[in-house]
Formats: sequence, C-alpha cells, structure tokens
Amino acid sequence: TQLLEQSPQFLSIQEGENLTVYCNSSSVFSSLQWYRQEPGEGPVLLVTVVTGGEVKKLKRLTFQFGDARKDSSLHITAAQPGDTGLYLCAGARGTASKLTFGTGTRLQVTL
Amino acid sequence: IAGITQAPTSQILAAGRRMTLRCTQDMRHNAMYWYRQDLGLGLRLIHYSNTAGTTGKGEVPDGYSVSRANTDDFPLTLASAVPSQTSVYFCASSDPIQVYEQYFGPGTRLTVT
Repeated sequence: TQLLEQSPQFLSIQEGENLTVYCNSSSVFSSLQWYRQEPGEGPVLLVTVVTGGEVKKLKRLTFQFGDARKDSSLHITAAQPGDTGLYLCAGARGTASKLTFGTGTRLQVTL
Repeated sequence: IAGITQAPTSQILAAGRRMTLRCTQDMRHNAMYWYRQDLGLGLRLIHYSNTAGTTGKGEVPDGYSVSRANTDDFPLTLASAVPSQTSVYFCASSDPIQVYEQYFGPGTRLTVT
C-alpha cells in the first residue's frame, strides 16, 4: 500500500515555466519532507514542514503543507535546467523516525 | 570522510551468494536506515536502527539482516541473494534532534544474476 501518492509522475517543461508537484495521502503526518535526487546520487533534503498550512520558501521553490497535514505541494517558479531531478516527498507519523516515501516526480527542464 | 559513505558503489552478484553492503557515517547520528529504490516503487525501508545495539524491521525486511555494533557503522547483509534483490540500496542517517530529516549516502547498485 502506497500511503503517499505523488503527481504528476513525469514532467518535462522548458526553462522559465512554472510548475507544481503534489503529494497526497489519506493519512495524517506529523511532518513532511521534500527531497531532490539527481541521477546516480542519494536524495538530498530540501525542506521539512510540520505545521498544518505552513508555507516555506527556498529561493524559487515554495513548499506548502495542507491544513489537515495529509498533503503537500511543491511549486517551482521560473524553472531552470538545474532543477532537473527526481522530487520525493516523505512523511513521518507520530514520534517514530521512520519515513514513508512517495513514488516521486521526475522533472526535466530543458533550454 | 564527510557524511555517509557506502561500499561498494556497484556489484554484480550470482544468485545464492552472500553479500554485505557497507555503510559508515561520521555525523554521530543515532538513527540509521537502509532503503531499496526500485523503478515505480520509490524508496522502501528495509531495516533501521534507532541507536547502537538496536535494530528494527522496515517495510521489506525479508532476505536481509543488519547489525549495529557501534554508532558509525550499519552493514546490510544478503544471506543468499535472489534476482528480486536487484536494486539500488541507500543508507541514511538522521540527527538525534531533527529525527525526521534524513541524510543519504550515494547508494550501491546491486545486480543479482
């Protein structure tokens, strides 16, 4: 059972376009993380959101945690080729340190 | 060493052979994890350890074992490899304060033939 569903699975856009990636669940999470993974490397943490409705910005990336803490979104403004990669959301439940990962969104940004 | 290292980088292994994937971290993190990453299935937790001397089963533990003799090392052993264990394996660790924020190694690509 996949607790975290990400959409879209694949996204190919041109440089300068905006995009939004979604991470949805029927379960409540105590916190949610977003990671980016480049080919041949491990995932790298981008951000953690913990409060329902929380919005965090990281340069051109905006992350939002749903009010009910069941979903999250990642919005990229004016995408650049360097944004290319696999974006993963991951949720933590309760006090456990174990994470449940989404299946990922593969983003390609072309010139 | 900075962060998490994994060895080997890649390996081709005959079915039935025993294999240990190595993972070492130098961040003094208490918790460590092993994941496998397969196309379409994302990252799935195999085993984890919240602190040295303790281990726990994740989502897909069958066919794998781990040990945690000290803080820095967390080896993953495949006792008798099968082709379905062909995957990319990632080791991760998390800070004792920000336990949900995990730091990943570069991965080991394992092919079982």
